[in-house]
Amino acid sequence: EDKVVQSPLSLVVHEGDTVTLNCSYEVTNFRSLLWYKQEKKAPTFLFMLTSSGIEKKSGRLSSILDKKELFSILNITATQTGDSAVYLCAVRSGNQFYFGTGTSLTVIP
Amino acid sequence: GAVVSQHPSRVICKSGTSVKIECRSLDFQATTMFWYRQFPKQSLMLMATSNEGSKATYEQGVEKDKFLINHASLTLSTLTVTSAHPEDSSFYICSAENRGLPYEQYFGPGTRLTVT
Repeated sequence: EDKVVQSPLSLVVHEGDTVTLNCSYEVTNFRSLLWYKQEKKAPTFLFMLTSSGIEKKSGRLSSILDKKELFSILNITATQTGDSAVYLCAVRSGNQFYFGTGTSLTVIP
Repeated sequence: GAVVSQHPSRVICKSGTSVKIECRSLDFQATTMFWYRQFPKQSLMLMATSNEGSKATYEQGVEKDKFLINHASLTLSTLTVTSAHPEDSSFYICSAENRGLPYEQYFGPGTRLTVT
């Protein structure tokens, strides 16, 4: 059974902290892993990862994929209150997308 | 670039009526569009995958006669909730895969459906 597991389920940090969000997966026909940020409405795209070991970076956010160990991490450095959101990980297997339950991040001033 | 719109953003309807939700890719051609449903504080649940010009592929447990999907062009897909009931109240989100950038999908802003 294909599945995506995210951890932790929720996280509360202070502004300026660095956080690491985890996503592990088991799918039969891996094509890509995607990270999304969801605030009050629909998710917004952050990263797509297809190759192991290549870090993708956008400002304070970065992500890397390990296809051997079947996981990815999303790092956020120098967190800000605007980073508070649910972060979703999705894995594409064939033409299907499997979503994790998300990590709810709260950044307090 | 890669903007997806949904219309309406919010709809309230009476039980037994049908509601149509439109999903448009505004600045790219979408070979595939996906429809999701999201309950409060839960993750996205894929309902169906639609490819332009062909029948949608529904996920297990999703009634295809209740949730009619039409993908008439490379920029438009519609989801019609037929004979809506209060338990159909949910947040419906579409996403579109950019024909020029395979594997990336972009989400619409979502439609909040409330059935009274």
